[in-house]
Amino acid sequence: QITLKESGPTLVKPTQTLTLTCSFSGFSLTTPGVRVGWIRQPPGKALEWLALIIWDDDKRYSPSLKSRLTITKDTSKNQVVLTMTNMDPVDTATYYCAQYSAMEGGGNFAYWGQGTLVTVSS
Amino acid sequence: QSVLTQPPSVSGAPGQRVTISCTGSSSSIGAGYDVHWYQQLPGAAPKLIIYGNINRPSGVPDRFSGSKSGTSASLAITGLQIEDEADYYCQSFDTDLSAWVFGGGTKLTVL
Repeated sequence: QITLKESGPTLVKPTQTLTLTCSFSGFSLTTPGVRVGWIRQPPGKALEWLALIIWDDDKRYSPSLKSRLTITKDTSKNQVVLTMTNMDPVDTATYYCAQYSAMEGGGNFAYWGQGTLVTVSS
Repeated sequence: QSVLTQPPSVSGAPGQRVTISCTGSSSSIGAGYDVHWYQQLPGAAPKLIIYGNINRPSGVPDRFSGSKSGTSASLAITGLQIEDEADYYCQSFDTDLSAWVFGGGTKLTVL
C-alpha cells in the first residue's frame, strides 16, 4: 500500500524559507523509474506543479518558480524535502506531495498525500 | 491563467450525463502528450480517476470515461450521483514549458 504524508510549518513569515517534508511508504526512491513530485493549491484555486525528483537524483522544476525551489531526497528515511525561499503571501496554499507514474505519453500523479496548508503572513 | 482550459462549472441532475472539456495547445495535448483526470472532493486531496486519456484505475466506476482528440480532451460522467459533486482537473505535459500542467478545474454540481 502506497502512502505519502506531508509535514512542515503551518505558518511562515514573508521572506522566510519554507521547508516541507514528504514521508512515504510502499515504494522506494532507489527503484528505477520511481519519481515523487510536489504540487500546490492556493485556497479556492487550481493545482500547480512545483517540482519533481527522480530515482537517479535528476530533478525538474516549474520554470516560473525554479529560482526559489530545491527538491532533495533521503532514501534511507524514505523522504523527499522541498524548500522554497523568499516566501510571500501569494504562496499561501495547500502543498501536496505525490508519487508520479511515468507513461510513454507523459505521466500522472497516481498517489497523493493529504496535503498541508501553509499560510504566509507576518 | 492555466495552460489547460476547462469550463469553471458544469451541472446535471442525478442520472444524467455530463462532459467536461480540457483544451490545450500544440505544445501540450496536441503534441501527443496524454491527458489525465483527477477528482477532488471537498476538503480532500485530488484522486486520479482517468490516466492515459482513457484508462480507469482500479476501483473507479465505469461511469467515468475519458477521450482525447487533437488539442482537446474530455471527461464524461454518466448516471450522475450526488457523490460525484466535486472539482475535476485535467493534467498533461507542456513541452515548451518543460512542465507538468493542470487545468483550471471544473466544479461539478449535481442538482
